[in-house]
Amino acid sequence: EAQVTQNPRYLITVTGKKLTVTCSQNMNHEYMSWYRQDPGLGLRQIYYSMNVEVTDKGDVPEGYKVSRKEKRNFPLILESPSPNQTSLYFCASRVGDRVFEQYFGPGTRLTVT
Amino acid sequence: GQNIDQPTEMTATEGAIVQINCTYQTSGFNGLFWYQQHAGEAPTFLSYNVLDGLEEKGRFSSFLSRSKGYSYLLLKELQMKDSASYLCARYNFNKFYFGSGTKLNVKP
Repeated sequence: EAQVTQNPRYLITVTGKKLTVTCSQNMNHEYMSWYRQDPGLGLRQIYYSMNVEVTDKGDVPEGYKVSRKEKRNFPLILESPSPNQTSLYFCASRVGDRVFEQYFGPGTRLTVT
Repeated sequence: GQNIDQPTEMTATEGAIVQINCTYQTSGFNGLFWYQQHAGEAPTFLSYNVLDGLEEKGRFSSFLSRSKGYSYLLLKELQMKDSASYLCARYNFNKFYFGSGTKLNVKP
């Protein structure tokens, strides 16, 4: 089954404790993105990747890192999480440059205390 | 989100037609997208417009006017399962900018 998976689905952590949210897709998509969703603000793009080793900042990259060492994986790293990073995070992928339909993962609900 | 405006909430009756409007800033535009998101779930792609005009996909249609910075999503023959949030998003060179979403309540 074609899908985007994220782990963990739920995470409660403390300020400053490094964490990684994994994202994997099995559709051989070139493009992958990370978003956060907050009430009243909608989805905001954090980072995106156009292919292996090619990443760029989205609208709200501060406090986040990403890497794309393999085509299928695009982990989101929070080196020193803070309470304002409490949010619902979605990973998404799409085929490539001129194909715009994005497939979203199920989401990761992160709480930073 | 980058000057994308859509109504916060709408209510419509089962079987009716509803139009959800979206306005956006016209500078830096490559396409306009609509997603559906049920509560507690991930967004799913509905449609996109790159050129002016109407795109029809079954019960859903989306319209775009690039000169006016305006789009709408038209849902026909509303069903209870259409109760969800509808997200408008502008695309510009690999970046997607989403509106806050319109929560549609479909009542019997």
